[in-house]
Amino acid sequence: SAVISQKPSRDICQRGTSLTIQCQVDSQVTMMFWYRQQPGQSLTLIATANQGSEATYESGFVIDKFPISRPNLTFSTLTVSNMSPEDSSIYLCSVVTYQETQYFGPGTRLLVL
Amino acid sequence: SQQGEEDPQALSIQEGENATMNCSYKTSINNLQWYRQNSGRGLVHLILIRSNEREKHSGRLRVTLDTSKKSSSLLITASRAADTASYFCATDSRTGANNLFFGTGTRLTVIP
Repeated sequence: SAVISQKPSRDICQRGTSLTIQCQVDSQVTMMFWYRQQPGQSLTLIATANQGSEATYESGFVIDKFPISRPNLTFSTLTVSNMSPEDSSIYLCSVVTYQETQYFGPGTRLLVL
Repeated sequence: SQQGEEDPQALSIQEGENATMNCSYKTSINNLQWYRQNSGRGLVHLILIRSNEREKHSGRLRVTLDTSKKSSSLLITASRAADTASYFCATDSRTGANNLFFGTGTRLTVIP
């Protein structure tokens, strides 16, 4: 299994500011992803965090708005830039282990005022 | 889209009854996973069933997979109030992308 921690667990931010979310997993994993879950909706994949290279973004998400880093096999960050109230959501880090099972972090609950 | 679709969208049962949720998907998969999400919390992985498996059990959970119909079901037996949560099925892609596509979930309420 994989134990994932995210920081912060929640935050309230002002419009126009940026927030960086950290994801740490307790073992090496093959892949790391970032998801968003807006209120009342299902999960949406934002991007795949690639170690040592630029993340792969899904349709509708761009690097300028959601820059992602993955400097090693167990750590990644997601930044939500120039935030607006529409960015209020739960942001989840997810990993795939070498046993091909996907695990999710506890999520970061973001409220933008 | 390969997104799974769960049905029903919402289910309300009495404690002790069984709950059955269904999931349909559109393309070939490597495996299908079921997750639970309690309100305001992160997703919890419940069970993974591979495309060459037909049935799998874990405690009070029973999952079936019918690849010919591109559907899966999750059965929770002898439900408890603590089972109240949203349940999602998630499929991966045989193209090897190794990420998951989630359905909209079934909201299960177990009444004590």
